[in-house]
Amino acid sequence: DGGITQSPKYLFRKEGQNVTLSCEQNLNHDAMYWYRQDPGQGLRLIYYSQIVNDFQKGDIAEGYSVSREKKESFPLTVTSAQKNPTAFYLCASRGTGGFDTEAFFGQGTRLTVV
Amino acid sequence: SQQGEEDPQALSIQEGENATMNCSYKTSINNLQWYRQNSGRGLVHLILIRSNEREKHSGRLRVTLDTSKKSSSLLITASRAADTASYFCATRTGGSYIPTFGRGTSLIVHP
Repeated sequence: DGGITQSPKYLFRKEGQNVTLSCEQNLNHDAMYWYRQDPGQGLRLIYYSQIVNDFQKGDIAEGYSVSREKKESFPLTVTSAQKNPTAFYLCASRGTGGFDTEAFFGQGTRLTVV
Repeated sequence: SQQGEEDPQALSIQEGENATMNCSYKTSINNLQWYRQNSGRGLVHLILIRSNEREKHSGRLRVTLDTSKKSSSLLITASRAADTASYFCATRTGGSYIPTFGRGTSLIVHP
């Protein structure tokens, strides 16, 4: 089945640690996105990538880093510089073959600082 | 990118009633999309309406678009408890499209 997979579903981080969230898609999509969602809030864009080996900062990139070495993969690292990382993280991908393309989302990773 | 703003923030209805939620945006668009998010899950695409369309249907969903008012509405008819979710709109303004979302409308349908 084609889709987008995030792992792990739950992740716990100690203060001062870096953690990496995985996002893999087999939809052959060029564009991929990372969002953060806090309780009762909308989605805020962290980073996005329109093509392999290229990525751009979104609205809240500070304390996060990404890579896009393969078309299928867009991992997000939450660094120790991110002071309030507890949140729900969503990865999405989208084909770029036309105007009417929808975004496909993974099931999310809930990150908690302990 | 263009952010839509959904209204109301929360909506509570009884099963069988209709639910209407709205989305407003600021600049001209190519299309507008509605997504649904069940609690603790990812978003799922529901329906897309192009800027040259005024109304679109998909099952119990009806979407309207008024480009003169820069607004869209999503109507869910004969709601069910399973429709309980948050609903978001996203717009495309051409060129590089980065899906952006507002805070959404949280819909609760009581059985």
